Amino acid sequence: SQKIEQNSEALNIQEGKTATLTCNYTNYSPAYLQWYRQDPGRGPVFLLLIRENEKEKRKERLKVTFDTTLKQSLFHITASQPADSATYLCALVRRDDKIIFGKGTRLHILP
Amino acid sequence: DSGVTQTPKHLITATGQRVTLRCSPRSGDLSVYWYQQSLDQGLQFLIQYYNGEERAKGNILERFSAQQFPDLHSELNLSSLELGDSALYFCASSSRTGTDTQYFGPGTRLTVL
Repeated sequence: SQKIEQNSEALNIQEGKTATLTCNYTNYSPAYLQWYRQDPGRGPVFLLLIRENEKEKRKERLKVTFDTTLKQSLFHITASQPADSATYLCALVRRDDKIIFGKGTRLHILP
Repeated sequence: DSGVTQTPKHLITATGQRVTLRCSPRSGDLSVYWYQQSLDQGLQFLIQYYNGEERAKGNILERFSAQQFPDLHSELNLSSLELGDSALYFCASSSRTGTDTQYFGPGTRLTVL
């Protein structure tokens, strides 16, 4: 069955450094991957989408890469700030429109 | 504020009961998605509707059903509730389907006692 794996351990990063989060998937090549931010008790907020034929996408301090050979997406936040502290979710969208979310990685940016 | 509204915000009920969760998508959005989020399972995709028709189905139990009405609002019906159904239920909407950004509502917290 389809699996998405994200670091289950919380990630602690010093303010100003680059935070890198990993999303690995198995078995099925997605049409595209999405990254979301979720704060406690709130709904996820869409950040970035990357298609299977794209290697990299950027938006302000955010960058996503997609390696279909490694079956991996990396999510980078540069010049990290305490306000970036949240849980980040990776979602794989299949060609039949089914969506599979990872369990998320909690990111703490330390001042 | 995403523009997606969900009611009620909280719901407490007993095992064996039936509840209905309601979602109003953003103005102009045709697609509605339902998700269940529990601590141990993470965010689970349940079902998607596009312009009134079922588009994709995920891990939705047979005790659960959903529909999207002509005015595009959607309802998720949960019946024969079990303790394990306690979770946050999110609705999301997008303008079309496929690669479109999804906008999530604030969620309904369901507690089954």
